[in-house]
Amino acid sequence: GAGVSQSPSNKVTEKGKDVELRCDPISGHTALYWYRQSLGQGLEFLIYFQGNSAPDKSGLPSDRFSAERTGGSVSTLTIQRTQQEDSAVYLCASSFTPSSEAFFGQGTRLTVV
Amino acid sequence: TQLLEQSPQFLSIQEGENLTVYCNSSSVFSSLQWYRQEPGEGPVLLVTVVTGGEVKKLKRLTFQFGDARKDSSLHITAAQPGDTGLYLCAGADKTGNQFYFGTGTSLTVIP
Repeated sequence: GAGVSQSPSNKVTEKGKDVELRCDPISGHTALYWYRQSLGQGLEFLIYFQGNSAPDKSGLPSDRFSAERTGGSVSTLTIQRTQQEDSAVYLCASSFTPSSEAFFGQGTRLTVV
Repeated sequence: TQLLEQSPQFLSIQEGENLTVYCNSSSVFSSLQWYRQEPGEGPVLLVTVVTGGEVKKLKRLTFQFGDARKDSSLHITAAQPGDTGLYLCAGADKTGNQFYFGTGTSLTVIP
């Protein structure tokens, strides 16, 4: 695609429910990143994929968070048993190689009520 | 863990003024990037610096990478309302595979 696409753009969920966030990276980009951003703040690293493998999962806040990437393309971030503190904007980025420019999607705004 | 601290966190200035944003760390980075983010959008890359002491200019924006590659600064000359946004620095670790983002500086330029 022309850019990184994330869906849904907004998600409101009840506390305790599971949610799935999707990221379609730019075609051909091998590196994919997930970040979390609270209002007006910097980006908190969650996980990094190189191809389908995740060399660095160190940023996942708890075992309620998991992510996968299939076919070296689409990635899904899953949050189980959502809590109110999970409310944030979840940003996905992809890059051609790990050290090159990262292109970001517009993010998914998650609100847990 | 936040490896990169940015200052100031918030900055509100009048159009035409100059400003500097700082990005500091105790870690050494193989390269450092600056991004600008507008509300409701993802960050967009402004510049990448890779050599200690490097200075890059992008129109009214001047970026500097510290000699020890632990810090960086962004200087904006004659700020304009269109410069308003969240400025983020991001340092690459020694593998170059991971970018750690700074705490962000929210800039508002008042017409």
